[in-house]
Amino acid sequence: AQTVTQSQPEMSVQEAETVTLSCTYDTSENNYYLFWYKQPPSRQMILVIRQEAYKQQNATENRFSVNFQKAAKSFSLKISDSQLGDTAMYFCAFLNYNQGGKLIFGQGTELSVKP
Amino acid sequence: DADVTQTPRNRITKTGKRIMLECSQTKGHDRMYWYRQDPGLGLRLIYYSFDVKDINKGEISDGYSVSRQAQAKFSLSLESAIPNQTALYFCATTRGGLAGTGELFFGEGSRLTVL
Repeated sequence: AQTVTQSQPEMSVQEAETVTLSCTYDTSENNYYLFWYKQPPSRQMILVIRQEAYKQQNATENRFSVNFQKAAKSFSLKISDSQLGDTAMYFCAFLNYNQGGKLIFGQGTELSVKP
Repeated sequence: DADVTQTPRNRITKTGKRIMLECSQTKGHDRMYWYRQDPGLGLRLIYYSFDVKDINKGEISDGYSVSRQAQAKFSLSLESAIPNQTALYFCATTRGGLAGTGELFFGEGSRLTVL
């Protein structure tokens, strides 16, 4: 069974600085997708970034980028120029499309951006 | 209006009561999911459905049941609520098949408290 682990329950960063959130996963599959979701205090789940395992190039969305290390089964999220609005819970998630399209989530990392 | 709508948004009930959480979507997606969020545990899959006639158990289905009344509607029931079912519940949808990206679209969550 696939598992997703986020080992940092809480993190904080100063506004305008860079922070990296860690995520590791365990799977025997070769084709899958990885996601980072953001959950602000409003509790809405928002997709931040998506990575397909067959792509070697790391995904980037504006200030958000990932470091995808397939062999190490690592998928970290880097937030550059942190803003107060980035304060949220961040979830890493894994999807094996061949096994029923079930998204498996990590435990979450609560990020606080301090002014 | 939200693409994925959950009702109620908040509910307080007593042990032993029957509770139904409803979800409807206007995205035209075929796949629908119910997740439960608990602090420190992330989101865990309760049930999922790939079409009206296809219902599947997730990792924590005990104590829950679901009904897919139409492609756009997927409800979750707690037949006899107990306090450890106190949690934030999310409905989510996605498009399956080759056109799918794996991205889940979430409702705004239903906060359930069982006293």
